[in-house]
Amino acid sequence: DTEVTQTPKHLVMGMTNKKSLKCEQHMGHRAMYWYKQKAKKPPELMFVYSYEKLSINESVPSRFSPECPNSSLLNLHLHALQPEDSALYLCASSPWGGWGNEQFFGPGTRLTVL
Amino acid sequence: SQQGEEDPQALSIQEGENATMNCSYKTSINNLQWYRQNSGRGLVHLILIRSNEREKHSGRLRVTLDTSKKSSSLLITASRAADTASYFCATDGSGGGADGLTFGKGTHLIIQP
Repeated sequence: DTEVTQTPKHLVMGMTNKKSLKCEQHMGHRAMYWYKQKAKKPPELMFVYSYEKLSINESVPSRFSPECPNSSLLNLHLHALQPEDSALYLCASSPWGGWGNEQFFGPGTRLTVL
Repeated sequence: SQQGEEDPQALSIQEGENATMNCSYKTSINNLQWYRQNSGRGLVHLILIRSNEREKHSGRLRVTLDTSKKSSSLLITASRAADTASYFCATDGSGGGADGLTFGKGTHLIIQP
């Protein structure tokens, strides 16, 4: 299995909802990532899980919280989002953390916050 | 701030022609990668070039890296309609931040049949 899967494909939520995005890989990769991509913009790194350590982009608001239940799964918990959080959320994995790694991306979850 | 800046932002060519995209970056890097994204989907890795390499080939792709000018180019030869996509350069190991890639703004390539 050489792919990264993401569920759901689409999500519409209100500002008071709590929802979660799920990402899974079975390639034995040791690093997983969440990126946010607004329309016609490049992806921006949100979080990195590498060798069971979490690294956070300090500009990401606390209404986004990642969770890594095991080395194959990476969740992104969403709470009290704002309409400007509407975007494509991309998950990726790489064989190991650090530099010089090809990253494998999932198809993304398109999130709309009403 | 974004590390890479692609040039041009949009490019439209005829099928069979060559397409060249450029990327400039600001800080020193360990590697530079190119990714393709089809219409709001996930990104696909194309090629990685290390800071001590000057040129790399993969099929119809040719990437160059000039660390003195902090720039890279991606050449796609004999373009096909299926090459229509957005192309991003990405750097890692820059800025001392967390693992992960910093993407340039991207070039949207349209191949006219």
